[in-house]
Amino acid sequence: QKEVEQNSGPLSVPEGAIASLNCTYSDRGSQSFFWYRQYSGKSPELIMSIYSNGDKEDGRFTAQLNKASQYVSLLIRDSQPSDSATYLCAVNKGDSSYKLIFGSGTRLLVRP
Amino acid sequence: GAVVSQHPSWVICKSGTSVKIECRSLDFQATTMFWYRQFPKQSLMLMATSNEGSKATYEQGVEKDKFLINHASLTLSTLTVTSAHPEDSSFYICSARGNGIHEQFFGPGTRLTVL
Repeated sequence: QKEVEQNSGPLSVPEGAIASLNCTYSDRGSQSFFWYRQYSGKSPELIMSIYSNGDKEDGRFTAQLNKASQYVSLLIRDSQPSDSATYLCAVNKGDSSYKLIFGSGTRLLVRP
Repeated sequence: GAVVSQHPSWVICKSGTSVKIECRSLDFQATTMFWYRQFPKQSLMLMATSNEGSKATYEQGVEKDKFLINHASLTLSTLTVTSAHPEDSSFYICSARGNGIHEQFFGPGTRLTVL
């Protein structure tokens, strides 16, 4: 079992729709969770961080965390073609190292 | 805030030469810097973690004598790829975090091509 699992996609949604990206993790000691966006050929860009159960909203983005289910998700409302990218879920290692374990990413395609 | 730069953005070198990549935190003090490598269509692979003033900690399978990391100040870390070979060609990305902060902020990356 991978430490952080994501569906590789591609997830294709029409412009204006809600895109839902999911991630599961295996280390119950993990306390910090992040979503990064990576455009092709570029480095990752931090979108959201979430530390406690529930929802966290920032603009069109909502991160959801359920530690009991070891599940993190990212919702993108009113999806735009410019949102087309690979979304990486990252989870801290559950120790004091501050290391992040990355999922393999979900490719999102927003159709105009 | 939280801007990280890398230099150079791309480099082409001959097999057997060494290449140095710089990573700088521009507007915060980076307690920890991380070095990643990413091959095409693959996810990020952590190579090493460096704390200012300490020796870097390398991940399993990463040769510390080949990938030399120096974190001499709170704003600068360098990665030197020694005796580079074509299989070292990759996208090298650094990230940095500040004291008490869990988020990692990434530099723009350095694309290394070894001929």
